[in-house]
Amino acid sequence: EIVLTQSPGTLSLSPGERATLSCRASQSVRSSYFGWYQQKPGQAPRLLIYDASSRATGVPDRFSGSGSGTDFTLTITRLEPEDFAVYYCQQYGDSPPRYTFGQGTKLEIK
Amino acid sequence: QVQLVESGGGVVQPGRSLRLSCAASGFTFSTYVMDWVRQAPGKGLEWVAVIWYDGDNKYYGDSVRGRFTISRDNSKNTLYLQMNSLRAEDTAVYYCAASEGGSTFDFWGQGSLVTVSS
Repeated sequence: EIVLTQSPGTLSLSPGERATLSCRASQSVRSSYFGWYQQKPGQAPRLLIYDASSRATGVPDRFSGSGSGTDFTLTITRLEPEDFAVYYCQQYGDSPPRYTFGQGTKLEIK
Repeated sequence: QVQLVESGGGVVQPGRSLRLSCAASGFTFSTYVMDWVRQAPGKGLEWVAVIWYDGDNKYYGDSVRGRFTISRDNSKNTLYLQMNSLRAEDTAVYYCAASEGGSTFDFWGQGSLVTVSS
């Protein structure tokens, strides 16, 4: 089973700053099987990035995803107040089909 | 617009059963892979089960395999999760999620809380 490890656990930044969130996989992950989610308190997760670097519908262009193999990054340029939330990475493995999530990175206001 | 609405959650004693439903609207249900994902209080996300478009292929996470059963009724645009032999560690908010390509979760419901307690 592929394990996803996110870092840092908590990231404290100010609005307007740039955020860089990391997700490392224990084995190589196909880029088309990798995504990022945002979750705000009391809400369901929301898909931000699919295929490692494609923005989901309605996601602002300050969010971008990059990476391949075992190292993936979510970058948020110019943080807005509504961006402070928990972010999860996720991968899909197809033999047999199963999904795993990272443990999450909490992005908090400094 | 796309809507996924879960129902059927509640408080249940250990060892008992519960069935969750997820009513879908705003998209062509039969063309989406459907999943259940759960989140224990204050914890991260855990994938529970997936069912393919026609319902013939189903897969489960290790912690629920043999106890939970996922199913779907494409004529009713509804996803189900039958949960048997419930344990305290199954306490969580259960989300249904839709995936067009099968690899990431495009849409999520608002969640249904299941509490397993005596």
